Amino acid sequence: AQSVTQLDSHVSVSEGTPVLLRCNYSSSYSPSLFWYVQHPNKGLQLLLKYTSAATLVKGINGFEAEFKKSETSFHLTKPSAHMSDAAEYFCVVSDDTGKLIFGQGTTLQVKP
Amino acid sequence: DAGVIQSPRHEVTEMGQEVTLRCKPISGHNSLFWYRQTMMRGLELLIYFNNNVPIDDSGMPEDRFSAKMPNASFSTLKIQPSEPRDSAVYFCASSFNRRNSPLHFGNGTRLTVT
Repeated sequence: AQSVTQLDSHVSVSEGTPVLLRCNYSSSYSPSLFWYVQHPNKGLQLLLKYTSAATLVKGINGFEAEFKKSETSFHLTKPSAHMSDAAEYFCVVSDDTGKLIFGQGTTLQVKP
Repeated sequence: DAGVIQSPRHEVTEMGQEVTLRCKPISGHNSLFWYRQTMMRGLELLIYFNNNVPIDDSGMPEDRFSAKMPNASFSTLKIQPSEPRDSAVYFCASSFNRRNSPLHFGNGTRLTVT
């Protein structure tokens, strides 16, 4: 069965410093993986997705994620955090029926 | 495109009352999903439709919950009777019925049952 684990429930960074949000997945086949972002009082928005093409995936707002099969990881990174990046981030894996399985989320706090 | 439209944005009701949440998916999308989000349980899939037909409703908590999709541009989620533990944010999302097609979420309905 597919599952996803977000290793940090809360991450705090200073504006201008790098962001790393960690995600590990479990899948019995080559998975499809996604990162979504949720700003306060808003729905979830797709940041990026991996579907077995390039292992380094670039998304919106300067975010990117690298698929590492050997580590079963799909960590989200950004070189320099901006205040507007403060939000909840969800790592998502697609199961073999195409249904999405969401992680518990990581709250990113950006300090000035 | 206006995106997925949900109404109302906020709903406050008393225990025992019927609640109806509404969703208009993105035009052309043929899959529609209802999710519930709470602090305790995170994001839970309640039910999803393909081409207006319910495919998987295993996430619906109990018989008090029901969902319909009478046509490709409208869906409802009804709770009758409502209970305080139903308080949550309910999201509707739509997508193309293709593997790996991303979901597009509405802004949600925040339901408070007193």
